[in-house]
Amino acid sequence: GQNIDQPTEMTATEGAIVQINCTYQTSGFNGLFWYQQHAGEAPTFLSYNVLDGLEEKGRFSSFLSRSKGYSYLLLKELQMKDSASYLCAVRDRDYKLSFGAGTTVTVRA
Amino acid sequence: IAGITQAPTSQILAAGRRMTLRCTQDMRHNAMYWYRQDLGLGLRLIHYSNTAGTTGKGEVPDGYSVSRANTDDFPLTLASAVPSQTSVYFCASGPEGGGYNEQFFGPGTRLTVL
Repeated sequence: GQNIDQPTEMTATEGAIVQINCTYQTSGFNGLFWYQQHAGEAPTFLSYNVLDGLEEKGRFSSFLSRSKGYSYLLLKELQMKDSASYLCAVRDRDYKLSFGAGTTVTVRA
Repeated sequence: IAGITQAPTSQILAAGRRMTLRCTQDMRHNAMYWYRQDLGLGLRLIHYSNTAGTTGKGEVPDGYSVSRANTDDFPLTLASAVPSQTSVYFCASGPEGGGYNEQFFGPGTRLTVL
């Protein structure tokens, strides 16, 4: 099984940078995903890591260290529309996802 | 249809009633999933299907059943609803297998059991 931990809430100012950490314990690691979920909406895919290192996609970057069971999602140049929940999810060898409880990010003007 | 759809959008249900949540995708994905999302607990997998004709149990399967008669449809049935099944239910689909294959989520069904 998977045990996935991420902070419950974070607050940051528009234009700033925020880093959301995710730690996991897994019986079989087969990739890590980050999803964004706005209130009342479905989760949408942000990033995927399976090898150690940094993946960059525009203002969003995701990092993975498999040996430490650790990932982070970095949001740069924060905009008001980035206020949402960010979900860390680990895929197992059967291709099923286990999700953390999510981190609610509030961006203030 | 574009992507993945769910019906109904929301439902209020009396305890003990039977209810089927519908999910349809038009992306020809082999794998489909049902999750429930509760405050503070995140998304939890109820049942899944890797391909038409097969299903499997997830983390919280008790009280729920699924079927996968074809590629596009994956209904979730609550045989006798209980208040603890009050939740937001998300259906998802994705290509079977690993690699850069993310799951796509439907808009969700908000279910209240009284």
